[in-house]
Order: sequence, then structure tokens, then C-alpha cells
Amino acid sequence: AQSVTQPDIHITVSEGASLELRCNYSYGATPYLFWYVQSPGQGLQLLLKYFSGDTLVQGIKGFEAEFKRSQSSFNLRKPSVHWSDAAEYFCAVAINNDMRFGAGTRLTVKP
Amino acid sequence: NAGVTQTPKFRILKIGQSMTLQCTQDMNHNYMYWYRQDPGMGLKLIYYSVGAGITDKGEVPNGYNVSRSTTEDFPLRLELAAPSQTSVYFCASSSPGDQPQHFGDGTRLSIL
Repeated sequence: AQSVTQPDIHITVSEGASLELRCNYSYGATPYLFWYVQSPGQGLQLLLKYFSGDTLVQGIKGFEAEFKRSQSSFNLRKPSVHWSDAAEYFCAVAINNDMRFGAGTRLTVKP
Repeated sequence: NAGVTQTPKFRILKIGQSMTLQCTQDMNHNYMYWYRQDPGMGLKLIYYSVGAGITDKGEVPNGYNVSRSTTEDFPLRLELAAPSQTSVYFCASSSPGDQPQHFGDGTRLSIL
């Protein structure tokens, strides 16, 4: 069955520390891959996307993600976290118009 | 530049009541979507539309109906509200071939 897994429900990091959020998918083919961020009471904002080509993609707000086909993963990274990065992060995959979301990872940033 | 606009932002319904969640976009996007988001869960697709007059079921369509008479509007209808439909509903839009979707700010619906 098609699925998207974000293994970490909640992550806490100190401001200035590095961050990696994990995402694994299970699809018959390589889907399009996305990371979204959601602040409380807001809709989702696209951080970055991967369709094809270079497996390391750069996004907004200093985020990047790496697609690893062999691991069916698309992990999100940021070298130095800012307090304003505290939010919920969703990985999503899409084939045609069928977009599926992971359950999300809530990021807390300690001062 | 409004983007995707959802109304209302909050609503409380009694079991068995009906209501329509409104969604409009001003980006001339052909594709529009309705999702629901339950606590601790990702978004689940309810219905989507690839153009005026065309709608299709998503992952969780039961209990909902949609229509798409214009490119701009994509209302979601609940005919007989049930407690299981308590959720936050998001509308989104995109261009054909542009999978990333522009999201509204959501409608928080409680059914008591």
C-alpha cells in the first residue's frame, strides 16, 4: 500500500543547532516529493520539492532535502535552526493528482 | 494578492445539520482540492477537481459532496453532519503539472 512515514512525532533542538527531519515513502514508482511547514492556525507553506534531477534540493528559509532512492527517503535538513522555525513539518508525496501526507513532525526550538 | 480564501474560519454544528464550506481562489488555477486534517495526523484528500464541471473522489469522500461550476470556486458540502467530521478543513489549488499546492488558512469545524 502507498504510504508516507515520518518516524518522529516531536523533535526538540536548541537554537543554532542542526536539524534533520526524516521522511520515508512506499510507492510503486518514484513519486514527486515535497516538504511543507505549518504554523499554528495557518495553512501549509511549501518549503521545497523534488521532481527529478539533482537529488539535493534547496528550499526557502535555508532548508534543504536529499532524495535517496535506495532508501526511499527524503529527509529535510537545516544547518542552524532559528526560533522562528518552530512549527509542524509535513512530508508529502504525489503521483498524478494523488497527494499523500505524512502525519507530521512537530519541531520545538529551545533558546 | 488573496490566493486561496476559505470561509468561515470557525463553525460549530449540531449533529444532522448541513453546511457548505466555501473556497475561492484568484490565481486562475484549474486544479482545486479539499483536505481534512485531524489532530496528530497528516492531511487526507476528500475531493479534488481538475477543472470546472469535473470532480473526483479522494481518499476519504464519504459524507461530503462538492461541485465546481466555476474555475474560482470549489465549495464542500456536508449534508448530515456527524461527530466524525469534526476536523480542520483545508482547500488548496494548483496549476496543471504544478503539483505544489497553494493552501487556504483552513476552516475549523466542530460537530456536537
